Amino acid sequence: GAVVSQHPSWVICKSGTSVKIECRSLDFQATTMFWYRQFPKQSLMLMATSNEGSKATYEQGVEKDKFLINHASLTLSTLTVTSAHPEDSSFYICSAKRTSGRLLSAETQYFGPGTRLLVL
Amino acid sequence: AQSVTQLGSHVSVSEGALVLLRCNYSSSVPPYLFWYVQYPNQGLQLLLKYTTGATLVKGINGFEAEFKKSETSFHLTKPSAHMSDAAEYFCAVIPNNAGNMLTFGGGTRLMVKP
Repeated sequence: GAVVSQHPSWVICKSGTSVKIECRSLDFQATTMFWYRQFPKQSLMLMATSNEGSKATYEQGVEKDKFLINHASLTLSTLTVTSAHPEDSSFYICSAKRTSGRLLSAETQYFGPGTRLLVL
Repeated sequence: AQSVTQLGSHVSVSEGALVLLRCNYSSSVPPYLFWYVQYPNQGLQLLLKYTTGATLVKGINGFEAEFKKSETSFHLTKPSAHMSDAAEYFCAVIPNNAGNMLTFGGGTRLMVKP
């Protein structure tokens, strides 16, 4: 299978602190990873696309200086929420695409279990 | 721009009844189509996908979906609902002629009554 992990699964922090969330592809290499944000009872909103070895591509309205993304290896991408505030509280989900493989599986994104962030 | 519409944010069925979750997309070129399931406080799990070939796609947990180009639809069905099917279901597409971006529908919460 294609397993994606996220760490931590839960984080509670004080307003003004920075929080780092890790996304790992455990059994495959992922050139491209994606970060999504999901508010309660809503769909997933793409925040940014993370490409190994290059700068992330952010969606319109997402502050790149607020949400720092680093994709340093083919199995790890990190999202850092800098100077977090209560409005940043949300469920953050990452996904990863296989670097190689059969064409019919190359387009599939495999999702992590999500990280719930609560900023007090 | 690609859009995905899931008709009905909430669907309630009785255990053993047919499950039908609707998904329509807007695209002149058939995209890749996906259904994902999300259990509470968890990430998304791929149920099934359509890329090319047979238009009736079978997935995990007894679910299947049929791509109908003429209707621009990809509805998800299951003949007999189980209590464990209660979850949030998302339809998503990737344009066939471009990159990576997965566009999600608004989601449908499936409730199963005993």
